[in-house]
Amino acid sequence: EVQLVESGGGLVQPGGSLRLSCAASGFSFSNFAMSWVRQAPGKGLEWVSGISGSGSSTYYADSAKGRFTISRDNSKNTLYLQMNSLRAEDTAIYYCAKDGSSSSALGFYYYGMDVWGQGTTVTVSS
Amino acid sequence: DIQMTQSPSSLSGSVGDSVTITCRTSKSITNYLNWYQQKPGKAPKLLIYAASSLQSGVPSRFSGSGSGTDFTLTISSLEPEDFATYYCQQTYSTPITFGQGTRLEI
Repeated sequence: EVQLVESGGGLVQPGGSLRLSCAASGFSFSNFAMSWVRQAPGKGLEWVSGISGSGSSTYYADSAKGRFTISRDNSKNTLYLQMNSLRAEDTAIYYCAKDGSSSSALGFYYYGMDVWGQGTTVTVSS
Repeated sequence: DIQMTQSPSSLSGSVGDSVTITCRTSKSITNYLNWYQQKPGKAPKLLIYAASSLQSGVPSRFSGSGSGTDFTLTISSLEPEDFATYYCQQTYSTPITFGQGTRLEI
């Protein structure tokens, strides 16, 4: 079964740091681009960051640039999001999501984000 | 950034009804448009990719159409389990962006 399981969320003070993890199973992890998507309480979905299968290419939303770093360890089938200088507006459920295709011929996520984790909650508050 | 305008923001329907949700983008994205369903407390679920392709396992009452800047998601003959929030998403360019969501209520 294809599965993504996030962990690492919690309560952190403004200005603090947190590292989220997403453990993948059931598919050839290194062949697929991955993303982090967040959802603030009562709000819509916001893409945060993405990474290619090899890890050589990374992409960020403006809200994450300079503060968040996405990475992956293909030997451990794990995706990470290092979040620094956290702000109250970063409070959200953070989901990891898998590209629907291992082929990048049509670009990332042409086939959508087909598998999502259950999410991990990050609360930034003093 | 590509802006997404999804409408309506909320919609009421009854079991058996047909409903349509629209998504407009600020520039042409050819068919790099996906649709998701999200139920309270759950992760989003992919329904439609590439504007009109049905994701495996999704009932055929869901359909998508459009290209360029205008897209629609149609649910024919609503079932009780279809009452949820729906999002469009463009993956033509980064940053990937989502519509603001459409809440489908009974």
